[in-house]
Amino acid sequence: ILNVEQSPQSLHVQEGDSTNFTCSFPSSNFYALHWYRWETAKSPEALFVMTLNGDEKKKGRISATLNTKEGYSYLYIKGSQPEDSATYLCAFLSGSARQLTFGSGTQLTVLP
Amino acid sequence: GAVVSQHPSWVICKSGTSVKIECRSLDFQATTMFWYRQFPKQSLMLMATSNEGSKATYEQGVEKDKFLINHASLTLSTLTVTSAHPEDSSFYICSAPGRGQGDTQYFGPGTRLTVL
Repeated sequence: ILNVEQSPQSLHVQEGDSTNFTCSFPSSNFYALHWYRWETAKSPEALFVMTLNGDEKKKGRISATLNTKEGYSYLYIKGSQPEDSATYLCAFLSGSARQLTFGSGTQLTVLP
Repeated sequence: GAVVSQHPSWVICKSGTSVKIECRSLDFQATTMFWYRQFPKQSLMLMATSNEGSKATYEQGVEKDKFLINHASLTLSTLTVTSAHPEDSSFYICSAPGRGQGDTQYFGPGTRLTVL
């Protein structure tokens, strides 16, 4: 069983604060690391798909980094806004299984 | 593009009844769809992979006779929970892979099943 862990489990920040959370995954047999944003009552939406060690991806105020050798990825949100409130999921895709293994998510609440 | 719908969004049923959940890819074709289950405070857990025109592949520990999967067309997969019991109460969500890098998944909004 592959182990994908996310921390923290939940997070409350004030509007305007920057924040980051972590996803750790197996460092062997890596194929891709996915980040999804999941708002309540909506479908999870893909943020980033990262495949190369050292990758850095950015979408607006959200960015992510990837270290496949040590098995972690960071998601950063700069200047958090209330609309950023959601659960952020990471998912590991191994080269052999080709099926996503999800972390349990980080629930972010941005307070106005 | 790449929208996946799921119906119903929630369902309450009596113990012993069967419940069918539909997952549709609205603007693309999907030869494969994935069915996940999520219990409170836990990760999305893959239950099975639905394959158009052939049998589904079930993950270890998932009863194929209890969770019937049919993928009869390139845009529709169904999950039927047969003889549901309270322990089957959970959140069920489907996804289909897109053409993007690294097998990006497009998810439905999920179905909350409560078995009384």
